[in-house]
Amino acid sequence: GENVEQHPSTLSVQEGDSAVIKCTYSDSASNYFPWYKQELGKGPQLIIDIRSNVGEKKDQRIAVTLNKTAKHFSLHITETQPEDSAVYFCAAGYNNNDMRFGAGTRLTVKP
Amino acid sequence: GAGVSQSPSNKVTEKGKDVELRCDPISGHTALYWYRQSLGQGLEFLIYFQGNSAPDKSGLPSDRFSAERTGGSVSTLTIQRTQQEDSAVYLCASSSQGLLTEAFFGQGTRLTVV
Repeated sequence: GENVEQHPSTLSVQEGDSAVIKCTYSDSASNYFPWYKQELGKGPQLIIDIRSNVGEKKDQRIAVTLNKTAKHFSLHITETQPEDSAVYFCAAGYNNNDMRFGAGTRLTVKP
Repeated sequence: GAGVSQSPSNKVTEKGKDVELRCDPISGHTALYWYRQSLGQGLEFLIYFQGNSAPDKSGLPSDRFSAERTGGSVSTLTIQRTQQEDSAVYLCASSSQGLLTEAFFGQGTRLTVV
């Protein structure tokens, strides 16, 4: 089955700086890679996703890159703000099968 | 409903008792997932339903755990003879059938076994 590893487990940045979170996956058949943000006491919410037919996707301050050959993908947040502080999870899946999540990254943005 | 609904939101039970956790997915979503999140940990996959069928039960941690889904809608996760290590937040998510689309999560059920 799919195995997703995520790094770092914690990340602290100054407001305005960029944050990068990286994930690797094991199953080359995986073709869907979402990123979720989880705030305290809430369920995870999708912030961006990428499919295997593209290498990069941007949405305002958030971007995701995918390297299928190396089987890794990354989340980039630019101009970080305190409200970006949360736990971020990457995931990998294939055609809506058992989507597997990374262990999460606790991001803290210091004002 | 407007989103994925889970009940109860909190459950405290005595060790050895059985518990049932309920998930109401978004109407029309045929894929349904159960995950477990221990304090400060990631999302541990438990089971996945496509309609009423569970093609992947590999994540269920022991035979004390079971899940069912009826009518392609509501799902129930049952934990028998609960143990303290079962204490966690149990999250349910649903998504559309056959498409790689966003999975919407419920707020979770916080289970505490004392």
